[in-house]
Amino acid sequence: QKEVEQNSGPLSVPEGAIASLNCTYSDRVSQSFFWYRQYSGKSPELIMSIYSNGDKEDGRFTAQLNKASQYVSLLIRDSQPSDSATYLCAVTGQAGTALIFGKGTTLSVSS
Amino acid sequence: DAGVIQSPRHEVTEMGQEVTLRCKPISGHNSLFWYRQTMMRGLELLIYFNNNVPIDDSGMPEDRFSAKMPNASFSTLKIQPSEPRDSAVYFCASSLASFNEKLFFGSGTQLSVL
Repeated sequence: QKEVEQNSGPLSVPEGAIASLNCTYSDRVSQSFFWYRQYSGKSPELIMSIYSNGDKEDGRFTAQLNKASQYVSLLIRDSQPSDSATYLCAVTGQAGTALIFGKGTTLSVSS
Repeated sequence: DAGVIQSPRHEVTEMGQEVTLRCKPISGHNSLFWYRQTMMRGLELLIYFNNNVPIDDSGMPEDRFSAKMPNASFSTLKIQPSEPRDSAVYFCASSLASFNEKLFFGSGTQLSVL
């Protein structure tokens, strides 16, 4: 059973701080990794994708991947109240397999 | 582009009734996915199609669930008979040909089975 694990939170950070969200996955052959953001009552939307070890930066967001440790993280710099949402880690394995999602981490940014 | 369109947005039904959820993917997208989301189990993949063909239905809970994609612009998820434990938000998503591509989600259908 392929699994994607996340701490459910809530993770609470003050405005302007760095929020760090973590995810581990069980399938060693996983190749593609994604972070989706889901506001309450809304559908998930993609914010980051990463395919190789290391860091990938996009604005205030940085995704980090360590395949040896089967670990993915998302850093949000200068957190804003509008970042308050649930962040879903998603992983796909070999070609032809669909995304498997973690249960998500709820982030709360206080002003 | 209108995005992925799901209907209905909300469905309230009684146990034992048939429920049909509908989805129109983004034009040109070749892959379509049905997910179910609950607080307890998170976002679970039920089934996905590629070029209208079911590729993996291992996530379908039981025979009460069935899904079809008769053409590239329409898919249905049917539950017959429905049970209270089927209550959840059901999302449809579509993507371009590659399974590693970005998923575009519909607004979801909130299903309540009484």
